[in-house]
Amino acid sequence: GQQVMQIPQYQHVQEGEDFTTYCNSSTTLSNIQWYKQRPGGHPVFLIQLVKSGEVKKQKRLTFQFGEAKKNSSLHITATQTTDVGTYFCAGRTGTASKLTFGTGTRLQVTL
Amino acid sequence: NAGVTQTPKFQVLKTGQSMTLQCAQDMNHEYMSWYRQDPGMGLRLIHYSVGAGITDQGEVPNGYNVSRSTTEDFPLRLLSAAPSQTSVYFCASSWTANYGYTFGSGTRLTVV
Repeated sequence: GQQVMQIPQYQHVQEGEDFTTYCNSSTTLSNIQWYKQRPGGHPVFLIQLVKSGEVKKQKRLTFQFGEAKKNSSLHITATQTTDVGTYFCAGRTGTASKLTFGTGTRLQVTL
Repeated sequence: NAGVTQTPKFQVLKTGQSMTLQCAQDMNHEYMSWYRQDPGMGLRLIHYSVGAGITDQGEVPNGYNVSRSTTEDFPLRLLSAAPSQTSVYFCASSWTANYGYTFGSGTRLTVV
């Protein structure tokens, strides 16, 4: 079945440093979504990428979808303590209705 | 809008007991899914539905049943609870496959 892996599993940065998490799928994706889950909370949808090579920005967050549509990345510039949480990618293949989540990257930010 | 409402928030079951986790959304979303979240394993899909009367299995369906008799409700039934089903359960909904999911606040289930 489809597998979606994320690296790293955990990253600890100091406030102001940059952060990147990578998402890799075993199969070609039709689209990829990113979610953020704060500690003790539920996942919250951030963005969806659909096109090969697509790049989208949300303030300090930059999302990329690979040319082969099998990988994606989330980059946060100048992290803040409010960025703390676990970031998940999630993808669909073809016309599949089910959304498969990656393993997640937990980000810790300290002052 | 209430969004996605899950009940109960916490539940303790004894091995072998059955129960139903409730999920309701008021956004007229067609797609609904149940995920379980275990430490270090991300979110794993249990069952999903693309509309009333239509359900299908996800990655980890064994021990769980679902039904979708209305657009609003998507209950998850545990047939005979086992300690391996101790987890946090999230219900989520979206308009279609091209929209992001809205998640409920989760049900923390412990099976002893």
